[in-house]
Amino acid sequence: ETGVTQTPRHLVMGMTNKKSLKCEQHLGHNAMYWYKQSAKKPLELMFVYNFKEQTENNSVPSRFSPECPNSSHLFLHLHTLQPEDSALYLCASTASSGSLDTQYFGPGTRLTVL
Amino acid sequence: AQKITQTQPGMFVQEKEAVTLDCTYDTSDPSYGLFWYKQPSSGEMIFLIYQGSYDQQNATEGRYSLNFQKARKSANLVISASQLGDSAMYFCAMREGLGNAGKSTFGDGTTLTVKP
Repeated sequence: ETGVTQTPRHLVMGMTNKKSLKCEQHLGHNAMYWYKQSAKKPLELMFVYNFKEQTENNSVPSRFSPECPNSSHLFLHLHTLQPEDSALYLCASTASSGSLDTQYFGPGTRLTVL
Repeated sequence: AQKITQTQPGMFVQEKEAVTLDCTYDTSDPSYGLFWYKQPSSGEMIFLIYQGSYDQQNATEGRYSLNFQKARKSANLVISASQLGDSAMYFCAMREGLGNAGKSTFGDGTTLTVKP
């Protein structure tokens, strides 16, 4: 595998379910990001991790819980979501967060909350 | 004020023609990077081209070139010899200042449709 991978690619869940999104980067980077992209809205930064430490939480509701066990893996744990949380969730990585390096994105997980 | 402005929600171009997608930015930081991404309907954000604020030359990558006009704070993407596969959403983005906690600012995007 190369680049940034995300699983699953599509997810449908009910409001009472608990699910997790997974992101893995094979680029040797140290910073990882979660973004939310809703229809007709700009890309919204959710979380930033640098060397496994969370450096940014962009006022994200607690029903979204990130986890970064190491620099290569990033998870987004979901519970009691709302229909308005339906969106494309994109993971990205850079060499480090405090640089102007290019962000490389995964293919995204398209989430539908019923 | 928006940091990245893409004024063209939608653009059409004839196959094999060139097209320019506009992007203006706003920053007071002397050190920044400008990026263009392509997002096809599948959803993946594909990195296309990068321009650093201190770069003297305009960036080029194959059929993509970035028309960087620093004084005007514009970073337009030029796609030459358009192909049907270029139909997608295009985002301009900026990263500011070393140590700025990794924040990228994205524009609202431009939907490009290439007509046969």
